[in-house]
Amino acid sequence: DAGVTQSPTHLIKTRGQHVTLRCSPISGHKSVSWYQQVLGQGPQFIFQYYEKEERGRGNFPDRFSARQFPNYSSELNVNALLLGDSALYLCASSLTFGPGAYGYTFGSGTRLTVV
Amino acid sequence: AQSVTQLDSQVPVFEEAPVELRCNYSSSVSVYLFWYVQYPNQGLQLLLKYLSGSTLVESINGFEAEFNKSQTSFHLRKPSVHISDTAEYFCAVSDRDHQTGANNLFFGTGTRLTVIP
Repeated sequence: DAGVTQSPTHLIKTRGQHVTLRCSPISGHKSVSWYQQVLGQGPQFIFQYYEKEERGRGNFPDRFSARQFPNYSSELNVNALLLGDSALYLCASSLTFGPGAYGYTFGSGTRLTVV
Repeated sequence: AQSVTQLDSQVPVFEEAPVELRCNYSSSVSVYLFWYVQYPNQGLQLLLKYLSGSTLVESINGFEAEFNKSQTSFHLRKPSVHISDTAEYFCAVSDRDHQTGANNLFFGTGTRLTVIP
């Protein structure tokens, strides 16, 4: 069974550019969340989508946006990239709105480097 | 909002010795608790979780954690570590009873466990 898949795995962008990261949840999972993990720190919550609706966002600027598609896959978009956006971006899925019986399952992440 | 404290940023331990990684969270409201492990250049893997029921939870590879509500702690233990346990360990918490907003995880800053041969 496929787990949570994220693409691309690595990405290098220049300051001021735009980036789109993609996530496919485990089949049947309806909740997708995005986290940013800066080197040496714990992941920080960015967005949660459930049933294609935004259920909450963390303390991130409006340059960050996301959406969830009818097949429950998701995109994270970041505009006007800054050097500080360099991080590992993690996607997590769950069957229901909360962790349910199986918790949240994370993908391997997209490593974004802004130069 | 919740906050999670992992007091030890690095824990070196000899192979086959016991280890405890400490985790405390801020709020006494009903919570779900998790431990995730992260190997170099990889994502997070769920190690174990507390959702309800018995306060002692175990993983398939010998780790265990105990939910202590009065001390708001969820410390991770293993009686005998292996070289392969070398990794970064993150404690995380989410609120159990919320009606609005996101059901997201709050993570600690991580503990780097290094097992010494």
